[in-house]
Amino acid sequence: QKEVEQDPGPLSVPEGAIVSLNCTYSNSAFQYFMWYRQYSRKGPELLMYTYSSGNKEDGRFTAQVDKSSKYISLFIRDSQPSDSATYLCAMSSRARGAQKLVFGQGTRLTINP
Amino acid sequence: DAGVIQSPRHEVTEMGQEVTLRCKPISGHNSLFWYRQTMMRGLELLIYFNNNVPIDDSGMPEDRFSAKMPNASFSTLKIQPSEPRDSAVYFCASSPTSGRSDTQYFGPGTRLTVL
Repeated sequence: QKEVEQDPGPLSVPEGAIVSLNCTYSNSAFQYFMWYRQYSRKGPELLMYTYSSGNKEDGRFTAQVDKSSKYISLFIRDSQPSDSATYLCAMSSRARGAQKLVFGQGTRLTINP
Repeated sequence: DAGVIQSPRHEVTEMGQEVTLRCKPISGHNSLFWYRQTMMRGLELLIYFNNNVPIDDSGMPEDRFSAKMPNASFSTLKIQPSEPRDSAVYFCASSPTSGRSDTQYFGPGTRLTVL
């Protein structure tokens, strides 16, 4: 079983829809949770960063962490065609060095105009 | 800032040949990471360096893979001999010394095809 599980999709939704992307994990030592966005033929770029449990909002994006359920989510409101990309969750723990990230498989998202 | 620079962007080679991938991290970043990305396995960490010293190479698939970081501004990932199953996109990433050291900045990747 992988440490981080993420449905690879693909996920296709109409423009303006609310998108929900999710990851589950098995290592309770994870404390730092990130979402990266990767456009086609580009490197991943950091989108959201959250420490421990709770919510974080940045514009149309909201990241949620539920450590009790070992479940993290990324919500995109008023989705735009420019949001079409692969979204990867990533996480790390102090125990293994804060810099070593474990990534999910990535979910490929398409927003249809 | 130019960001993380990788070269070449594309490499096509034949099985058995040596392949060398190059990376220049962002100036001032003291951690460097090599990843491999495939459709089947996703993004996998191969090795990472702190202050030019290899810290964790547990993700390196086998002895055919080696990585070096001779100085703070340059790293190489070498595959010798290459095999078709090594075909993937290889990313280099770097992260800063202070502040949010978990944040990794990725290069554009090298797309490797081994025939």
